[in-house]
Amino acid sequence: ILNVEQSPQSLHVQEGDSTNFTCSFPSSNFYALHWYRWETAKSPEALFVMTLNGDEKKKGRISATLNTKEGYSYLYIKGSQPEDSATYLCAVNDYKLSFGAGTTVTVRA
Amino acid sequence: NAGVMQNPRHLVRRRGQEARLRCSPMKGHSHVYWYRQLPEEGLKFMVYLQKENIIDESGMPKERFSAEFPKEGPSILRIQQVVRGDSAAYFCASSPPWDRRGFGTEAFFGQGTRLTVV
Repeated sequence: ILNVEQSPQSLHVQEGDSTNFTCSFPSSNFYALHWYRWETAKSPEALFVMTLNGDEKKKGRISATLNTKEGYSYLYIKGSQPEDSATYLCAVNDYKLSFGAGTTVTVRA
Repeated sequence: NAGVMQNPRHLVRRRGQEARLRCSPMKGHSHVYWYRQLPEEGLKFMVYLQKENIIDESGMPKERFSAEFPKEGPSILRIQQVVRGDSAAYFCASSPPWDRRGFGTEAFFGQGTRLTVV
């Protein structure tokens, strides 16, 4: 099971502000990195899957980048809205998903 | 195409009883993963199965826990002689087979089963 670390553990953002947070992972034996959004009482929802160094993915106001050589990925939220409040999980795929503990984002109106 | 279905959504068991959690993967998905979320913690990998085969059970406690994914029917996570520390949310996810060509495919999660041991 890979050691996947996410930081910070939690953050508070004012509505309209942009934010970003990190997922770090061992750079060897890397196959893919997944980002999930997880709202309370719901199941994790897939956001992005990235496989190549330098990959950038975007969905609405949320985007992600991947650096496989140094072993990190950033998730960005532009112009945060209250509905962005959730826990964001990253997972590294070496034929099974190993999850980080998540970054919990709270957007204040 | 129905998503990943888990049942029951909530399960209450007394200490010493058995708990059976079911997971029906998405249509066309042959691989199932079980994860456990303990209170105040993240998702922890338990076991990775394909039909009739356990691929990786390195996250499964050595005693009382077992999992199967038969040729027909749902995947079952079975916990024998439950203890209070087994109280958690158990999530299952499914995916098509991952290989070097297909690592870009997503895994989809069920809604989870919340087990409470009293």
